[in-house]
Amino acid sequence: KAGVTQTPRYLIKTRGQQVTLSCSPISGHRSVSWYQQTPGQGLQFLFEYFSETQRNKGNFPGRFSGRQFSNSRSEMNVSTLELGDSALYLCASSLISSSYNEQFFGPGTRLTVL
Amino acid sequence: GESVGLHLPTLSVQEGDNSIINCAYSNSASDYFIWYKQESGKGPQFIIDIRSNMDKRQGQRVTVLLNKTVKHLSLQIAATQPGDSAVYFCAETTGNQFYFGTGTSLTVIP
Repeated sequence: KAGVTQTPRYLIKTRGQQVTLSCSPISGHRSVSWYQQTPGQGLQFLFEYFSETQRNKGNFPGRFSGRQFSNSRSEMNVSTLELGDSALYLCASSLISSSYNEQFFGPGTRLTVL
Repeated sequence: GESVGLHLPTLSVQEGDNSIINCAYSNSASDYFIWYKQESGKGPQFIIDIRSNMDKRQGQRVTVLLNKTVKHLSLQIAATQPGDSAVYFCAETTGNQFYFGTGTSLTVIP
C-alpha cells in the first residue's frame, strides 16, 4: 500500500507570494492533518480535514488555509508569505477523524521563504 | 495552551547500550501519548503508544513509561543500534489534537 505523498518536496518562494501544497493520503484514509515543523517550535498543528470538512484548527493566522477533495486529497495554502513561514510542512493521514487513531506522516514539503 | 517538552535536545549513546529519552507534559487531562521517530528527510514514524490507564508498555526493543503523578513520559530503547539514530518526539492528546515536543536528537556511536 502506498504511503502518504506530498508535493512538491521542496519549494522556494519570496515574501508576499502565496503557495499551495498538496497531500495524497493512504488509500482509504479519510482524515488529513497538516503540521508545521520548525527547529524552534517543533511540530505544530495547523488543521485537520475529514470528509471535505475542517474538523479542527490550530492557532495559526488566517493566511493558512486548506481544503479537502472528495477523493480525500488535501491542499493547504499560505498567502502573503513571511520569512517565518519557512518550515517543513507535514501532512498525516488516518482512517478516521480521531486523535486516538494512528496517523501516518508523509515526507513533508520543505518551504523556504526568501 | 499545551506544553510538551523534552529534557534534553541531544543524546549520544554507544552502540549496544540502552537509551532513555524523556518527555514532560503539562496537561494532566491528556490521556493518550505517542512516541515518534523522525529520520533525516522523512516524516515522523510511529514507534509506540500508551494510554493514561497504563504506566508501562513494551514493544520490540522499546518500552514507554508513563508517570502521571509528575506528568512524565520516557522512551527506553534497548541495545541501541546505528539505525536508531534519529530525532524522537513525544506527543500527547486529550482527543482533540496532538501536541508535540520539539524532539531529542539521538546519535548512536558505533
